[in-house]
Amino acid sequence: DAGVTQSPTHLIKTRGQQVTLRCSPKSGHDTVSWYQQALGQGPQFIFQYYEEEERQRGNFPDRFSGHQFPNYSSELNVNALLLGDSALYLCASSLAAGANYGYTFGSGTRLTVV
Amino acid sequence: EDQVTQSPEALRLQEGESSSLNCSYTVSGLRGLFWYRQDPGKGPEFLFTLYSAGEEKEKERLKATLTKKESFLHITAPKPEDSATYLCAHLDRGNQFYFGTGTSLTVIP
Repeated sequence: DAGVTQSPTHLIKTRGQQVTLRCSPKSGHDTVSWYQQALGQGPQFIFQYYEEEERQRGNFPDRFSGHQFPNYSSELNVNALLLGDSALYLCASSLAAGANYGYTFGSGTRLTVV
Repeated sequence: EDQVTQSPEALRLQEGESSSLNCSYTVSGLRGLFWYRQDPGKGPEFLFTLYSAGEEKEKERLKATLTKKESFLHITAPKPEDSATYLCAHLDRGNQFYFGTGTSLTVIP
């Protein structure tokens, strides 16, 4: 049973560029959440997708956007990259947007902005 | 505003030296207190969820407990492979995790 799969694992981008990160949820899960984890910090909530719609959003600017596809996979897009966007981006999947159990995290995408 | 605070920031233990990690929380409505283990460069790995004060859960050398304001992760006779960062988080009514900054545990052989 595959867990949460994220791609790519590492990425280097130049300031001002745009980036797309991808996430395939655990089999049977239909909800995807994205988190940003800066070095030495805990993960911070970006947004959550369920039924192809953004259901909840954390305190992140509009430069951060996402999408969920009919197969429940998801993308995170970041426009106009800043040096401060360098972080580990984590995807977590769960069954049903209202669940308080069963959240599974992927291994993340390490984004470096230079 | 909901907050989760973990202490200590870092902990070094000799192999076999038991200790506890602390997670204090201020939330408007607890839907679950989660403990995760995170190895360097990896995603968090689920350990426990606690839902109500007085609840306890165990897994190998780890035991998690919950009060109305705090959760503790007790590590009994740790081994070097227990070295990792341990994250505490609560899930709010908006299905958003609030994470602490973690405790970095190093177990020395």
